[in-house]
Amino acid sequence: LAKTTQPISMDSYEGQEVNITCSHNNIATNDYITWYQQFPSQGPRFIIQGYKTKVTNEVASLFIPADRKSSTLSLPRVSLSDTAVYYCLVGGNYGQNFVFGPGTRLSVLP
Amino acid sequence: SAVISQKPSRDICQRGTSLTIQCQVDSQVTMMFWYRQQPGQSLTLIATANQGSEATYESGFVIDKFPISRPNLTFSTLTVSNMSPEDSSIYLCSVESLTRGNTEAFFGQGTRLTVV
Repeated sequence: LAKTTQPISMDSYEGQEVNITCSHNNIATNDYITWYQQFPSQGPRFIIQGYKTKVTNEVASLFIPADRKSSTLSLPRVSLSDTAVYYCLVGGNYGQNFVFGPGTRLSVLP
Repeated sequence: SAVISQKPSRDICQRGTSLTIQCQVDSQVTMMFWYRQQPGQSLTLIATANQGSEATYESGFVIDKFPISRPNLTFSTLTVSNMSPEDSSIYLCSVESLTRGNTEAFFGQGTRLTVV
């Protein structure tokens, strides 16, 4: 399974757009890119998944360049409640276990 | 989607004892996953549990220490045996589901274990 690298922590202010970039240089052809959010004392929660180009849902956008060696999670207009750890995972095929990297601890300040 | 119930939510245990954590899913699933999350750390996969076969353990985890049962397609247990303070951690049960075209992992709330 491809290893991922992402910033350990980030700070932002309410109302700003936050972009978290993840590197996955040895991503395989059949790998998807998935992002999860984890609040303290809770299990991780699915945010978004994509294979290439751009994916958008009601929560976030995911940008994936043509070479797929990186991806960027974009959170529009963050609020204090978006303070959490964000994990980038590569793989995501059904039946394949999920390998979590260290994640990015996002702190949203008032 | 899948809803996962984990019990207990937390426990404080004496060293040398064992604790069994239960995981109940609201739908039938082929595989169930057990993770450990040490304080301030990411999640580490302990093992994958398939119904009707032995669990598959990741490097660094052994069946004698973390025996797993998977009696049916909606239930699994993880036992933390002969506990030491180093086993203090959050233990999470997970399943995967195809939802809206995505393969999503769903997690229980976790079991916070403190060994004293």
